[in-house]
Amino acid sequence: QKEVEQNSGPLSVPEGAIASLNCTYSDRGSQSFFWYRQYSGKSPELIMFIYSNGDKEDGRFTAQLNKASQYVSLLIRDSQPSDSATYLCAVNAAGNKLTFGGGTRVLVKP
Amino acid sequence: KAGVTQTPRYLIKTRGQQVTLSCSPISGHRSVSWYQQTPGQGLQFLFEYFSETQRNKGNFPGRFSGRQFSNSRSEMNVSTLELGDSALYLCASSDGGTDTQYFGPGTRLTVL
Repeated sequence: QKEVEQNSGPLSVPEGAIASLNCTYSDRGSQSFFWYRQYSGKSPELIMFIYSNGDKEDGRFTAQLNKASQYVSLLIRDSQPSDSATYLCAVNAAGNKLTFGGGTRVLVKP
Repeated sequence: KAGVTQTPRYLIKTRGQQVTLSCSPISGHRSVSWYQQTPGQGLQFLFEYFSETQRNKGNFPGRFSGRQFSNSRSEMNVSTLELGDSALYLCASSDGGTDTQYFGPGTRLTVL
């Protein structure tokens, strides 16, 4: 069983709709949770981080964390074609060592 | 602030050679982490340096090593290159007080 799991997609979303991405993790001691966006051929770019249960909003992005269910999600509202990318969920259980999921590819269709 | 920089951006080597990659973190950041990204294994943690000391290490063979200098710049070295070492090598920096990491553009290594 992988430590951090994501649906590989592709998740196809019409322009203007909400994209919902999910991530589950196995280490109950995980403390910090991150979402990165990676365009093809580029390096990961930090979108959101969340430490506490609940929702955290930043512009069109909302991260949701449920530690009891070991589940973190990312919502992208008003999806734009420029949001088409691979979204990586990362978890930090201890130290400064991020464990990444395999990523979810998102395609926003005009 | 300038972002994380990595050099070189592209590298082609042959099996058995060794390679050294360089990373300069964001100004004021003292922690540098290295990751390997391949299509098959995804992003995997190699090691982390903080104040010139290796603080964390991933599950990679001893052929992979690194170091950090007093100005926080870091290098990683891969000796006796294998075909499977072909990957994007990413460096990420954080301020050391939080675990929020920012990635550099990466070094694309091809081993022939």
